[in-house]
Amino acid sequence: QQQVKQSPQSLIVQKGGISIINCAYENTAFDYFPWYQQFPGKGPALLIAIRPDVSEKKEGRFTISFNKSAKQFSLHIMDSQPGDSATYFCAAGLEYGNKLVFGAGTILRVKS
Amino acid sequence: GAVVSQHPSRVICKSGTSVKIECRSLDFQATTMFWYRQFPKKSLMLMATSNEGSKATYEQGVEKDKFLINHASLTLSTLTVTSAHPEDSSFYICSASAGLAGQYFGPGTRLTVL
Repeated sequence: QQQVKQSPQSLIVQKGGISIINCAYENTAFDYFPWYQQFPGKGPALLIAIRPDVSEKKEGRFTISFNKSAKQFSLHIMDSQPGDSATYFCAAGLEYGNKLVFGAGTILRVKS
Repeated sequence: GAVVSQHPSRVICKSGTSVKIECRSLDFQATTMFWYRQFPKKSLMLMATSNEGSKATYEQGVEKDKFLINHASLTLSTLTVTSAHPEDSSFYICSASAGLAGQYFGPGTRLTVL
């Protein structure tokens, strides 16, 4: 019940295209869903996060879509750029500084 | 804001020695700090959660006598890998949380045990 399933494992997108990464969770008590971006040899950086009282959150080219009934959420990267090439992790957890459950990660490569 | 540092960024040590890794929240007070281990091309594996002034809570399968965690203040936590062996070689990452704002990660420490 603690798992977060992330797909796809890897993704290749043309420059300017839309990158879409999906995650599904099991624990209905989770109320905090962040996405992290990680470059090789670096720590993950918080990209964007959503709470279940909204269905969508947009920050620049990054959008999270959230479907509470399906227990799914996704990251959309609009106008993908080569600099977006990185590993993306979704996560889920309880707010208030509690531990997060991470997805397996998606390696994104944006071709120029 | 929300900057977390780790030191050292890279360490190479001989088998049997102990290594200490520091994690600091630079611009906020972290009520909770987390320590993760990451293998190449894999996800983050939570090792332990620590709150300032109290004992760390270790995840199942993580040896608390091998991975000593101290959270001495609201801005500093340390992970000591005791009697390190080659199988302990990994990328260790800390994160810090001030409660509602989520977790912010440090840049990681690459440990290589010869």
